[in-house]
Amino acid sequence: DGGITQSPKYLFRKEGQNVTLSCEQNLNHDAMYWYRQDPGQGLRLIYYSQIVNDFQKGDIAEGYSVSREKKESFPLTVTSAQKNPTAFYLCASSSSPGSRGELFFGEGSRLTVL
Amino acid sequence: AQRVTQPEKLLSVFKGAPVELKCNYSYSGSPELFWYVQYSRQRLQLLLRHISRESIKGFTADLNKGETSFHLKKPFAQEEDSAMYYCALLSGSARQLTFGSGTQLTVLP
Repeated sequence: DGGITQSPKYLFRKEGQNVTLSCEQNLNHDAMYWYRQDPGQGLRLIYYSQIVNDFQKGDIAEGYSVSREKKESFPLTVTSAQKNPTAFYLCASSSSPGSRGELFFGEGSRLTVL
Repeated sequence: AQRVTQPEKLLSVFKGAPVELKCNYSYSGSPELFWYVQYSRQRLQLLLRHISRESIKGFTADLNKGETSFHLKKPFAQEEDSAMYYCALLSGSARQLTFGSGTQLTVLP
């Protein structure tokens, strides 16, 4: 079954800890994205990658880091520097950057900082 | 900088009534606009794009450059249309999507 898989679905973290969210796709897509979804604020772009071994900051990259060592994988690390990390995180991919605007989304990961 | 505004957080209509979800944008270039939908317990997915001039599930959206709007319309709402709707703008050399804050549509029986 092709698609995007995010894990874990729910994650709890203590303040001061880093946490890594996984995103894997088997769609053979070149571009991958991480969005943060907060109530009343829609989706905000954290990082994106148009090709393996390359990525760029989005609108709210501070306190986050990513890597793109494989085409299929684009993990997001929420570091202790992120001031308000409790949120719902969505990973997405597209066949090419922009790709006529069609992104394919994962089911999301909900991070709660205790 | 580009911006997408959806002024209504919540919208309720009765089944069979017309529905219009508002979207306004701010962008200096030539806009490419989209509507995404998230049904309960489903993934966010593309509903329609302005460039295709298509009607999906009875929904249409017309780009009005003069009013910088891309409102989503359906003449007769159905209960299964209840969902969160996001308007999005494709922009920049990296062709990123900028999303609005979303409108939660509830169609009442």
